[in-house]
Amino acid sequence: DADVTQTPRNRITKTGKRIMLECSQTKGHDRMYWYRQDPGLGLRLIYYSFDVKDINKGEISDGYSVSRQAQAKFSLSLESAIPNQTALYFCATSDDDRALGYTFGSGTRLTVV
Amino acid sequence: QKEVEQDPGPLSVPEGAIVSLNCTYSNSAFQYFMWYRQYSRKGPELLMYTYSSGNKEDGRFTAQVDKSSKYISLFIRDSQPSDSATYLCAMTGGTSYGKLTFGQGTILTVHP
Repeated sequence: DADVTQTPRNRITKTGKRIMLECSQTKGHDRMYWYRQDPGLGLRLIYYSFDVKDINKGEISDGYSVSRQAQAKFSLSLESAIPNQTALYFCATSDDDRALGYTFGSGTRLTVV
Repeated sequence: QKEVEQDPGPLSVPEGAIVSLNCTYSNSAFQYFMWYRQYSRKGPELLMYTYSSGNKEDGRFTAQVDKSSKYISLFIRDSQPSDSATYLCAMTGGTSYGKLTFGQGTILTVHP
């Protein structure tokens, strides 16, 4: 099994719908992150969590929310999806306070129509 | 202006060529500099990291950091078709410790 598992792998949804992307990890890492990747823009940080009781906004958190249900689970929600949220979403984990050596999931390709 | 700038390419080279990938940054507090490799429909994987200025070599890969110029490079010697991927620079430091700031990524194709 993968160390960091993201579900679903692909999702097409309609504008205005609520959608949740899930991430679970078996690494035992405290730190978890959500990034989105867009062509020409690289990876941009949406939200991050350094432990179960800690949630922080990244550079592009508007339109997104997160939930850290347990050390191993970190979910990203789009409350009302819009087309410019179409992107590849990655979850990552780390056990290092310098953020060295992220372990990434395989990504969720989200299309909002 | 983004904190980290990377030429997105794409870059296409023949097998055996030396490849140079580069990033510039504006945040002088960055202390750790990383290179990730990402194959199609996969998550990025860490190639190597460097602390502060200097060079680091790992097989065919050399990472170089010049903090005075805020410029980092990754050199790939004797490039192989299996090196074809997207390469992302990333960095952290200062108030950004604990999270990475990425460049835009450079798409590299090595053709036989």
